[in-house]
Amino acid sequence: QQQVKQSPQSLIVQKGGISIINCAYENTAFDYFPWYQQFPGKGPALLIAIRPDVSEKKEGRFTISFNKSAKQFSLHIMDSQPGDSATYFCAASKDRSDYKLSFGAGTTVTVRA
Amino acid sequence: EPEVTQTPSHQVTQMGQEVILRCVPISNHLYFYWYRQILGQKVEFLVSFYNNEISEKSEIFDDQFSVERPDGSNFTLKIRSTKLEDSAMYFCASTSGTYNEQFFGPGTRLTVL
Repeated sequence: QQQVKQSPQSLIVQKGGISIINCAYENTAFDYFPWYQQFPGKGPALLIAIRPDVSEKKEGRFTISFNKSAKQFSLHIMDSQPGDSATYFCAASKDRSDYKLSFGAGTTVTVRA
Repeated sequence: EPEVTQTPSHQVTQMGQEVILRCVPISNHLYFYWYRQILGQKVEFLVSFYNNEISEKSEIFDDQFSVERPDGSNFTLKIRSTKLEDSAMYFCASTSGTYNEQFFGPGTRLTVL
């Protein structure tokens, strides 16, 4: 059962452009939605996260948009830089009694200079 | 800045051999996890550990797998009889539990020959 679906699988963006990655979830009990950034050979690093009581969260050039009714959330990377080239994973988990993360399949972002 | 550490970074073993992967979570964290990532695929949950016992495990985590926190700082994953399909990156993660911000280690690449 694929609990978190992520798209696209990969994307290429020009430096300065906007990268948009979308995720959809099935389990309405999920109430924590983080995004992780992973560079080759490294572990996933927490980038930004949102809970369903807000519809948007921004940290620097990274913004999460959340649509609870549609069970969708997305990551926007503004002013994309070559250093942002990485694989991005969305994830979701249930409430505090169950913390395991269910990951999306990942999106490989390539930022061309 | 505190971080999760893992050893070894790369483990090569013969099929049928036992391996132990080691992790040192962040010191004040209470919840511990093992995830794995087969090359090019998404991160998959294996097991969560809290209060010196397993709190949840996935279908992947069968009788060949076990976890232990032997000394209050290390957190280990043992695979008793490795199979070819166990070849993957294994990530340890931890969280304080106040918020579900899971911090991942750099991973151990397990290669089963």
